[in-house]
Amino acid sequence: DTAVSQTPKYLVTQMGNDKSIKCEQNLGHDTMYWYKQDSKKFLKIMFSYNNKELIINETVPNRFSPKSPDKAHLNLHINSLELGDSAVYFCASSPTGAGGPYQDEQFFGPGTRLTVL
Amino acid sequence: GDSVTQMEGPVTLSEEAFLTINCTYTATGYPSLFWYVQYPGEGLQLLLKATKADDKGSNKGFEATYRKETTSFHLEKGSVQVSDSAVYFCALPLPGAGSYQLTFGKGTKLSVIP
Repeated sequence: DTAVSQTPKYLVTQMGNDKSIKCEQNLGHDTMYWYKQDSKKFLKIMFSYNNKELIINETVPNRFSPKSPDKAHLNLHINSLELGDSAVYFCASSPTGAGGPYQDEQFFGPGTRLTVL
Repeated sequence: GDSVTQMEGPVTLSEEAFLTINCTYTATGYPSLFWYVQYPGEGLQLLLKATKADDKGSNKGFEATYRKETTSFHLEKGSVQVSDSAVYFCALPLPGAGSYQLTFGKGTKLSVIP
């Protein structure tokens, strides 16, 4: 009964490679996010999708490209990986619309630890 | 813009000690306020929240009160346990259509020693 799942949990790769991280939520939420957490635990929003449309695109290199095939999935593809991309990447989802007990609350996946060598 | 500022860590306490992690916010309106917790090797999970001024959120022995006068949402627990060792994040939603984005504090790492 996993709510937000990510695969893989660990990803070790060489510089210059292209890799993808997958995210799925079974909560019926309309909005999904990608966050990057650095080694100091600082969390930064990267992207947000609502109903498969890009809502937030923070200052992220265009090597990062999110793809949302449907409302329940938001995948992150990274081209030409660099050492500085090493981090933990979290997917999250939230319901949208005014009111309700879960308004503004976000539900996080377990994270994907990316290590670029 | 809207933001949260939380005390720097790390914080190390002995078991059964009293915990306070400070969080202050800057906001144009009166947004909901959240505390998230990240246990080692896991994702963030909501610990507690408050949706309006003077509300008190509570969960697992933790409490935080939404104080408009001092723009604060400090996290407290009367008696911490080793299992409370984690990173704690204060957060609020940024204004905008649908409130699609949360902004987080920098996180406070708590270590509880037996």
